Amino acid sequence: DGGITQSPKYLFRKEGQNVTLSCEQNLNHDAMYWYRQDPGQGLRLIYYSQIVNDFQKGDIAEGYSVSREKKESFPLTVTSAQKNPTAFYLCASSRPGQGPSPLHFGNGTRLTVT
Amino acid sequence: GENVEQHPSTLSVQEGDSAVIKCTYSDSASNYFPWYKQELGKRPQLIIDIRSNVGEKKDQRIAVTLNKTAKHFSLHITETQPEDSAVYFCAASKGNTPLVFGKGTRLSVIA
Repeated sequence: DGGITQSPKYLFRKEGQNVTLSCEQNLNHDAMYWYRQDPGQGLRLIYYSQIVNDFQKGDIAEGYSVSREKKESFPLTVTSAQKNPTAFYLCASSRPGQGPSPLHFGNGTRLTVT
Repeated sequence: GENVEQHPSTLSVQEGDSAVIKCTYSDSASNYFPWYKQELGKRPQLIIDIRSNVGEKKDQRIAVTLNKTAKHFSLHITETQPEDSAVYFCAASKGNTPLVFGKGTRLSVIA
């Protein structure tokens, strides 16, 4: 069953701690993305990667970091520098070819920082 | 960069009526416009998309129209049903750049 797996579904952390959200895909997609979703704000792009060992900042990258060491994996670290980390985080992948292609989303991780 | 505006933010319709959600985009080079449906607590799922070489696309009760001159595109849902209740997002992109999303429309279909 191909798809994108995000874990865990719920995550709780104390303020000042770094936390890493997992994202794995077995769709053989080249591109992977992290979006943040807040009520009434839509989906905002944090980071994206179009190929292994390369990634670019999105619109709200401050306080986040990523790595892309394998095609299947694109973990997101929420650092203590992120001022308001409590949110719903969505990982997605796509197979851009000769033009844009639709995103396939994981089920998301809801992070709560207190 | 691209900016996508979506209206309305909330929409209530009676079951069986039509619903229309509108989006505008700023970058005239954008050429791909998908629509996603997100049910409560679930992932966004693609329901229909359109590319800039097409003016209209239909899939059963769902249709999307694109006006490149005015830089706006719309989602039309006919004969709405309670299971259509969800948050709908429009998005736009060009080439292989990441999608830019609108802020979403919460659609409520009242039985």
